[in-house]
Amino acid sequence: NAGVTQTPKFQVLKTGQSMTLQCAQDMNHEYMSWYRQDPGMGLRLIHYSVGAGITDQGEVPNGYNVSRSTTEDFPLRLLSAAPSQTSVYFCASSLTPRWVRTEAFFGQGTRLTVV
Amino acid sequence: KQEVTQIPAALSVPEGENLVLNCSFTDSAIYNLQWFRQDPGKGLTSLLLIQSSQREQTSGRLNASLDKSSGRSTLYIAASQPGDSATYLCAVRTFQGGSEKLVFGKGTKLTVNP
Repeated sequence: NAGVTQTPKFQVLKTGQSMTLQCAQDMNHEYMSWYRQDPGMGLRLIHYSVGAGITDQGEVPNGYNVSRSTTEDFPLRLLSAAPSQTSVYFCASSLTPRWVRTEAFFGQGTRLTVV
Repeated sequence: KQEVTQIPAALSVPEGENLVLNCSFTDSAIYNLQWFRQDPGKGLTSLLLIQSSQREQTSGRLNASLDKSSGRSTLYIAASQPGDSATYLCAVRTFQGGSEKLVFGKGTKLTVNP
């Protein structure tokens, strides 16, 4: 069972560059989300999706873009990287319906440094 | 807006001690509460999931309780071991801003000394 797979694990970008963080899950989960984790701030929700073709903003969406063309994949795009986007990024997935066990599963994270 | 608080932020105990980690949340209208473990430089590993209708869940040396009405959960770790050293996060699944979301606390960093 692969679960939630994130690539790359590490990335260094120059200010102004763009890149895409990949996230894939093989559990047929409808709900997928992206978080960033910063010291002293905890995990903050960037964007989420409740199914293919449906995305919405979380708590800190500025500077990030997402799309959901398939159930399995939920890439996160940095449009023009800034040093403030230096962080560890986590992708998560779960079932959506509230009446079933909606346990969240997380990827191993992508450590991004913007210089 | 749902807020989750974890106290203490850090805890250091000798090996073998039983310990309790605390999690509180401001809005009792939650679907479930999940405890995670995070090792340095790693992702989040799910430990226990408690549905809103449940009072507790157990897995090995771990026991998590939920008192939804008072907005509190505790994670009890029995006979702690150095391998338990990690950051423990709690998160509530809640309906906020038009959709379901997981809201996290900032974690408790646990160190178990041999």
